Amino acid sequence: DVKVTQSSRYLVKRTGEKVFLECVQDMDHENMFWYRQDPGLGLRLIYFSYDVKMKEKGDIPEGYSVSREKKERFSLILESASTNQTSMYLCASSLSPSLLNTGELFFGEGSRLTVL
Amino acid sequence: AQSVTQLDSQVPVFEEAPVELRCNYSSSVSVYLFWYVQYPNQGLQLLLKYLSGSTLVKGINGFEAEFNKSQTSFHLRKPSVHISDTAEYFCAVSYSGGGADGLTFGKGTHLIIQP
Repeated sequence: DVKVTQSSRYLVKRTGEKVFLECVQDMDHENMFWYRQDPGLGLRLIYFSYDVKMKEKGDIPEGYSVSREKKERFSLILESASTNQTSMYLCASSLSPSLLNTGELFFGEGSRLTVL
Repeated sequence: AQSVTQLDSQVPVFEEAPVELRCNYSSSVSVYLFWYVQYPNQGLQLLLKYLSGSTLVKGINGFEAEFNKSQTSFHLRKPSVHISDTAEYFCAVSYSGGGADGLTFGKGTHLIIQP
C-alpha cells in the first residue's frame, strides 16, 4: 500500500522558533509537495520539488523554505515561526511528469502546527 | 488564471437524503478532474477521478461525479448519505497534464449530515 508519512501530527511552537516538518514517501515518486490548509481558503501550495535538490516556489512561499536531499524525503522549514503560520500542513507526492501521469496526489495525514 | 470554484462552503443534509456538491473549473484544452475527501484530523484521500472516456465516474463509498465539458463542471453526487459521510470534500484539477506543479484545489465543501 502506498504511503506518505509526516513525522509529527501535532506540534506547538513559540514565535521565533525554527520548525522542521518532515515528510517521507515510499512510492518512489519524483514529485513532492507541501500545502497549507486553512478554513475557508482550501489548500494552498507552498513549495514543490520534482527531483532531488530541486525546488520550486508555489503560491505562498514567503516565510518558508524546503529541503530535498533524498528522493523519498521532503522537508518544510519555518526559519522563524510566526502566529500567522498556525495551520494544517499537508505533504503529498505524485509520479514524474509524463503522458501516463494524471497528476493524482497521494497525501500524508497532515501536521497541525500551532505557533504561540 | 486557472481556478476551481466550489460554490457551497457548507451543505447540510439529512441522513439517507441525496446530495450534490458542486464544482466548476476554468476552461482549458484538457483537464483531469478529482474529488478528494478529508475526514476530521486526517489527510486527503482520493474519492474518484475523471481522466477520459465515460463522463460518469464512480468512486468509493457510493459517490459518483459527472464531467460536463460544455458547462466546465464536475459535480459530486450520492443518492443516500450516511452519518459517516460527514467530512470536507475538495474538487481539484490538473491543468498541466503531467502534474508537475500539482493540482489546483477548490476551497472545499463541508458536508454535514443531520440525523
